Order: sequence, then structure tokens, then C-alpha cells
Amino acid sequence: NAGVTQTPKFQVLKTGQSMTLQCAQDMNHNSMYWYRQDPGMGLRLIYYSASEGTTDKGEVPNGYNVSRLNKREFSLRLESAAPSQTSVYFCASSQRLGRWGSNQPQHFGDGTRLSIL
Amino acid sequence: KNQVEQSPQSLIILEGKNCTLQCNYTVSPFSNLRWYKQDTGRGPVSLTIMTFSENTKSNGRYTATLDADTKQSSLHITASQLSDSASYICVVYYGGSQGNLIFGKGTKLSVKP
Repeated sequence: NAGVTQTPKFQVLKTGQSMTLQCAQDMNHNSMYWYRQDPGMGLRLIYYSASEGTTDKGEVPNGYNVSRLNKREFSLRLESAAPSQTSVYFCASSQRLGRWGSNQPQHFGDGTRLSIL
Repeated sequence: KNQVEQSPQSLIILEGKNCTLQCNYTVSPFSNLRWYKQDTGRGPVSLTIMTFSENTKSNGRYTATLDADTKQSSLHITASQLSDSASYICVVYYGGSQGNLIFGKGTKLSVKP
């Protein structure tokens, strides 16, 4: 049981390049999320998907787009990368419907470390 | 302003010793409080989730307490092991079924032999 799988694990981009971060979960969860983690800050929500076919903005959505491809997969796209988007990106999923799954825990992937030069 | 503050920022202890990490929050309406463990280079892993009515919850050598009146929580680690070296993140869920999560900045714990 892999849980939440993120690809790639590391990536270096030049300013202005685009890329897509992939996330897949095998726990049959309805809700999926994208976060970024920066030094000295708590995790911040970029986008989330409460269920297949729906997506919503989180706290820091600017510069990003998402696609909920099916129940298993939720991708994050940077259309024109900027140095301020250098960060560690985490994908998470949870069992219950709704934004946070009430009392259900979120399950996280191991992150994508993205550097933008 | 809704906030979650953790203390200390970092902590070094010797293997076998106990330690307590603190989390204070100012959110409303409160729904539940979560503690996560994040190993270096890995994603956070859930340790406990406590609702308003729960005062204490244990997960092996980890015991979380919650005082909803003072809006404080603590995570107590007993008989620490080298594998406990990690960041511990306090997360508060507020606002009901359409609510939000606020993540603390974490406490970085180093357990030395």
C-alpha cells in the first residue's frame, strides 16, 4: 500500500519554465490537497479538491493551477515559474467528503523539492 | 486573528529522557487539534486528533493533552528514542464542516545518544 505518491521528488527549473507536479493516492480518498512548505512557516494550502470534478483555491493559489484527473490523481501546474515558488510541495488526501474531512487525518506524500533559478 | 503558535522552536534532549512540546491556539469555532510528526525529507504523519471533548489521547510513547478552555495543547514524549528526532507540527481545524486548517510552524526535536 503506497499511500500518497508524488513525482518528481526533485526538480530544478529556470524562471519562466512550466511544469506539472503529479500526485496519486491509492486509499480511495475523496479529498485531495496541495500545500507548500517554506522555511520558518507552517504548511500553506494552495488548492484542494473536495471530490472528483471539483477544485477550490486555498490560501496561496496565485501562479498555480490544478487538475483533478480522476479520484486517484491530483496534479499541480506552474505555468511560468518564478523564484518565489521555490519550495517543498506536499500533496495530501483524506477519507471524508468536505474540505478537511472533519476528524479524519490527512495522509501526506513525501514532497517535491522544487528550485527555481 | 486565527493563529497557532508552538514552543519551543527547537529542543535537544538525551536519549531516554522525556520532553513536552507546547501548542497555543486562537481560533474560533474550534473543531479539533492534530499533532503530526515530520521526519527530515518526508511528509507529515498523523500522531493524534483530539476533539473539544477529549482531554488526553495516546499513541504509543506519545501523549497529547488538550485544554479547550485555555486553548492549549501539549505533546509529551516518553523515554525518547533517536527515531523521535523530527519536527512536530500542531494543526488546528476550525469552522465546522466547511472549515479550515491552520498549521503551526513546528518544533524541531533532536534526540542525542
